[in-house]
Amino acid sequence: EAQVTQNPRYLITVTGKKLTVTCSQNMNHEYMSWYRQDPGLGLRQIYYSMNVEVTDKGDVPEGYKVSRKEKRNFPLILESPSPNQTSLYFCASSRVSVSLYQETQYFGPGTRLLVL
Amino acid sequence: AQKVTQAQTEISVVEKEDVTLDCVYETRDTTYYLFWYKQPPSGELVFLIRRNSFDEQNEISGRYSWNFQKSTSSFNFTITASQVVDSAVYFCALSEDNSGGSNYKLTFGKGTLLTVNP
Repeated sequence: EAQVTQNPRYLITVTGKKLTVTCSQNMNHEYMSWYRQDPGLGLRQIYYSMNVEVTDKGDVPEGYKVSRKEKRNFPLILESPSPNQTSLYFCASSRVSVSLYQETQYFGPGTRLLVL
Repeated sequence: AQKVTQAQTEISVVEKEDVTLDCVYETRDTTYYLFWYKQPPSGELVFLIRRNSFDEQNEISGRYSWNFQKSTSSFNFTITASQVVDSAVYFCALSEDNSGGSNYKLTFGKGTLLTVNP
C-alpha cells in the first residue's frame, strides 16, 4: 500500500529536549516536505527536499532542521523545542514531474506535538 | 507571492442541502495548480482534486463538483445533497509553476469548517 508514515503520532515533551519526528514514504517520491498546522493559520511549509541531499527552507524554518540521506526518509529535527512549536505536523511527498503536469502531494497522518 | 483566501471560516448546513465552499487565489504565474483537501475530524489530509491553470473545465465527481474561473481567480467547491460524513475542514491550496523546488510548495487557505447536521 502506497503511504506516507510518520512517527510518533503524538508526543509530549519539555522545552529544550531534542526530538526527531520521522517521515517515510514507500512511493519512491523525489519530493518531500514538512508542514505545520496551527489554528487560524492553516498549513505552512517548514522545509522541503527535491531529492537526496537537496533540502531548502520553506516559510517557517526557524527552530527546525531536516536531513535527506535516503530517498524514502525525511526526518524533522527540533534541536531545542519551545512551546511555540506546539503544533500538528504533516509530512508530504510527491513525484517530481518534468512536464507541466504536477503530481499530487500525499500527506502522512500527522504528528501532534505538545512542548511544555 | 501566492495567496489563497477562504473567506468562509465555518458553514453549517442540514443534511441533503447543497453547499458551496469558496476559494479565491492570487498568483502572478500563468502556470499554476489548484487543489482541494479534506481534513475530517480524525485529522488526516485527504486529497480531493487537482486542477492546472490551463484546464478551466469544471469537474464533477459524484456529489462533488468544482468550478474553476480564471476571470475571477476562483476555484469553488460544491457538495450536492450533503451528508453528515462530509463534515470536515476543507482546504484549498495553490502551487505555482513546477520549475523549481520552491514551486512545489503548497500555499493553503485557512480552511472552511463544514458541519452537516442530521
